Amino acid sequence: KQEVTQIPAALSVPEGENLVLNCSFTDSAIYNLQWFRQDPGKGLTSLLLIQSSQREQTSGRLNASLDKSSGRSTLYIAASQPGDSATYLCAVTGGYNKLIFGAGTRLAVHP
Amino acid sequence: EAGVAQSPRYKIIEKRQSVAFWCNPISGHATLYWYQQILGQGPKLLIQFQNNGVVDDSQLPKDRFSAERLKGVDSTLKIQPAKLEDSAVYLCASSLDTTGWGETQYFGPGTRLLVL
Repeated sequence: KQEVTQIPAALSVPEGENLVLNCSFTDSAIYNLQWFRQDPGKGLTSLLLIQSSQREQTSGRLNASLDKSSGRSTLYIAASQPGDSATYLCAVTGGYNKLIFGAGTRLAVHP
Repeated sequence: EAGVAQSPRYKIIEKRQSVAFWCNPISGHATLYWYQQILGQGPKLLIQFQNNGVVDDSQLPKDRFSAERLKGVDSTLKIQPAKLEDSAVYLCASSLDTTGWGETQYFGPGTRLLVL
């Protein structure tokens, strides 16, 4: 049974810091891995999607890497801003497009 | 393009009462998903429809939860009777197709349920 774990559960940093959020999964038979952002009272927004054959994806200040063999992914946020404050969720895709999520990392960036 | 719509946005009920949630997916999306997100946890898939057929309902508590997708478009999720542990956010998502693995899922804003 696939399990996804995210570390740390919560993070509070001053503005401008570079951050690393970690995600691990137990079964390497995944189709892809996604990082989502969730703001309070809102749905999920997909940030980055890495196919199983890829090693990393970049979008602006965000960079996500994937090491399928070791069951790990990291989300790197450069030069953090208060607007980055949210919960970041990692999810792997298995059969029938089924998403299995981690519990998330709650990020607070203070001015 | 309109996103996934859900209603109501908030609902407060007492335990043992019934409640229903509605979801309207993005037009043309064949696949519809219902997730349950308990506070402090990630979303968990409850049921997945492909058009109006069920693909996966292995984590749906069928003694109290039911879901249907009328004519392969809108969907309703019902809880009867509700328990305290059903307090959660119920998220609906849709994607173009399931057969193409890795199809992007688009999420609605969710319905926040509080059972007292």
